[in-house]
Amino acid sequence: GAVVSQHPSRVICKSGTSVKIECRSLDFQATTMFWYRQFPKQSLMLMATSNEGSKATYEQGVEKDKFLINHASLTLSTLTVTSAHPEDSSFYICSARPGPGNTIYFGEGSWLTVV
Amino acid sequence: KQEVTQIPAALSVPEGENLVLNCSFTDSAIYNLQWFRQDPGKGLTSLLLIQSSQREQTSGRLNASLDKSSGRSTLYIAASQPGDSATYLCAVMDSSYKLIFGSGTRLLVRP
Repeated sequence: GAVVSQHPSRVICKSGTSVKIECRSLDFQATTMFWYRQFPKQSLMLMATSNEGSKATYEQGVEKDKFLINHASLTLSTLTVTSAHPEDSSFYICSARPGPGNTIYFGEGSWLTVV
Repeated sequence: KQEVTQIPAALSVPEGENLVLNCSFTDSAIYNLQWFRQDPGKGLTSLLLIQSSQREQTSGRLNASLDKSSGRSTLYIAASQPGDSATYLCAVMDSSYKLIFGSGTRLLVRP
C-alpha cells in the first residue's frame, strides 16, 4: 500500500526556536497534503491544506505566520513551527492524497515537545 | 460546518463482549466515512472505509455501517479482545477532501 513518511518522529526544541517537520509520499505523487494537530486525549484537528505549487489554505484559528507550510514538490510538504512555545507541544500528523479520488494516506505522526 | 460526534467517549467491557461504537455527523454531503484506530502515542491505523454510496463494510471481527441520510455510522466489534483496547476515531471526508474527525471513543477490553 501507499506509504507516507514523516520526519522526525519525535523532536524536542527550545522555546523560541523553529522546528521543521517533513511529510513525504514515498511511492506516489501527492497533489494535496493535509496537516493535523492532536493535543493529548483530544481528536485530530485539521490545521491546513497544502497544494503543490501554491499557498496553503489554513483553517480558521490557525496562525499562518506561525505554522509555515511549504509544498514545493509532489512528494514533499513541510510544516515549520516558528518561534515555538510550550503550548505548541503536540502531535502533528500529515496525510496525502494521490490525486483524483478520495483515498487518503496518513503519516505516522511527529511528536513535538517545546521546553 | 461539518461536525462529527462520537458516543460514548469511553467504554470498558469484559473480554468476549460484542460492542457498538457510534458516530454521527451533521452534513450528509460526504465522500466517505472512515474508522481509525489509534494506540496511545501512535499514529492512525485505518480500519474500514465506507464510500458514500455504500451501506456497510466488513473486515474480520469489525463491521461498519453507514446511514448517510440520518448522518450516522456504527462500528461493531465482535468478540472483543484485550488487544482491541485503543481509541477509535470516526472521520468523514467533505467535498474538499478534508477529513473531519470525531473526538474518539477510548475502548478498554478487560481480560
